[in-house]
Amino acid sequence: SQQGEEDPQALSIQEGENATMNCSYKTSINNLQWYRQNSGRGLVHLILIRSNEREKHSGRLRVTLDTSKKSSSLLITASRAADTASYFCAPLDTGRRALTFGSGTRLQVQP
Amino acid sequence: KAGVTQTPRYLIKTRGQQVTLSCSPISGHRSVSWYQQTPGQGLQFLFEYFSETQRNKGNFPGRFSGRQFSNSRSEMNVSTLELGDSALYLCASSLGTSGYTGELFFGEGSRLTVL
Repeated sequence: SQQGEEDPQALSIQEGENATMNCSYKTSINNLQWYRQNSGRGLVHLILIRSNEREKHSGRLRVTLDTSKKSSSLLITASRAADTASYFCAPLDTGRRALTFGSGTRLQVQP
Repeated sequence: KAGVTQTPRYLIKTRGQQVTLSCSPISGHRSVSWYQQTPGQGLQFLFEYFSETQRNKGNFPGRFSGRQFSNSRSEMNVSTLELGDSALYLCASSLGTSGYTGELFFGEGSRLTVL
C-alpha cells in the first residue's frame, strides 16, 4: 500500500479565501480520496476521484487528479472558520490494499 | 444507519498493562481497519480484518493484535503497554468486497493514555 504526501504541512488563510492543498503519490492508483479530520476526532470522507477522472466537484470542494504527474489537489473555495481541520489524501493502489495516510495539511481559517 | 462505534472513548492505563478496544462497524460492512494516530508518527495503519481474517497488516510489533467476530465487530489488543502506545486509536469500516472503492467510515476513536 502507498500513502500520499500532502503539501503544504500547514496553511493559514482568512475566511472567504480559497485554500489549495496538494498531494503526491508514488505508484499506479485505482482512486484517490480526500479526508478531513477535526481536532481529536475521526476522519470524514470528503471526495473520491477515480484514476480515469481529471476533475471532480462536490459543493465548495474541487479535486483534480494528474496521473501522469502522480499528483492531486484539493481546492476549498470561499473557506469558512468551520473548515479549520487537517486534510489527508489517501491513494488506493490498483491492488486495493489498505488505505494509508500521510501527515496531512493543517488548515487554519481565521474568522 | 448508525455509524462506526468505538468503545471506550477514553482510557488510562499504566505501563505493562494490556488494553482491549472495541469497534462496531456500520451494518453491512465486512471490513474493519485499525489506525494509530500520534503527534510524532501521524496516522499509521495497524491492520485490516475482513470476514474474520486479517487481510492486511501494518508494521507494528506483535504486542498489537486484533480479531474480528462473525458479526463483523472487531477488537484490538495491546499487551505490555509502553508509554509510546499513548495515542488515538481509530477504527474504520468499509464494505470490503471486490469492486469496492475503499472509502472508509471512521469512528470517533479511543484515546489511550499510558502512564
